[in-house]
Amino acid sequence: ILNVEQSPQSLHVQEGDSTNFTCSFPSSNFYALHWYRWETAKSPEALFVMTLNGDEKKKGRISATLNTKEGYSYLYIKGSQPEDSATYLCASHSGSARQLTFGSGTQLTVLP
Amino acid sequence: EAQVTQNPRYLITVTGKKLTVTCSQNMNHEYMSWYRQDPGLGLRQIYYSMNVEVTDKGDVPEGYKVSRKEKRNFPLILESPSPNQTSLYFCASSSTSAGEQFFGPGTRLTVL
Repeated sequence: ILNVEQSPQSLHVQEGDSTNFTCSFPSSNFYALHWYRWETAKSPEALFVMTLNGDEKKKGRISATLNTKEGYSYLYIKGSQPEDSATYLCASHSGSARQLTFGSGTQLTVLP
Repeated sequence: EAQVTQNPRYLITVTGKKLTVTCSQNMNHEYMSWYRQDPGLGLRQIYYSMNVEVTDKGDVPEGYKVSRKEKRNFPLILESPSPNQTSLYFCASSSTSAGEQFFGPGTRLTVL
């Protein structure tokens, strides 16, 4: 079983603050890294799927970077808004495996 | 509309009473999987299927069965549910095992 770890576990920020979270994963035999956004009472929704070392992806105020050699990814949110409040999940896929392994998530609360 | 559906959405049952949670997707995805979500543990994969008639165990398969007779359907069967199977269950599908996962709405199961 891959060990995918996310930090921090939870985070409270003020509206307008920028923030970032970390996902660490085994770098050996890496294939893909996913980020999902999971709002309360809804289903997880994909934000990014990244495969290449040095990848940077952006969707509105949210962006992510990937370092496959050292086994980490950062998710950044610029100018946080209350509607950004959610749990952010990362998941790693190794080439030899046939499954994604999820981290336990970072729960973000943006205070108005 | 592209979607993954699950039924039922909520279920309260008693120990030992067999139940099935259905999952269906209309995106012609080959890969389907079942996850359970428990507080502090993130999403853990129960079973997955690479294609019709091809299923395999995930990280926590004990007490569960699945079948994949048709591409669109992937039911989860609990032959003799126990209280430790009380959880939130998600079905997901994707075009490949490493591709973006599309999640169903979730099934909240309580076993008394």
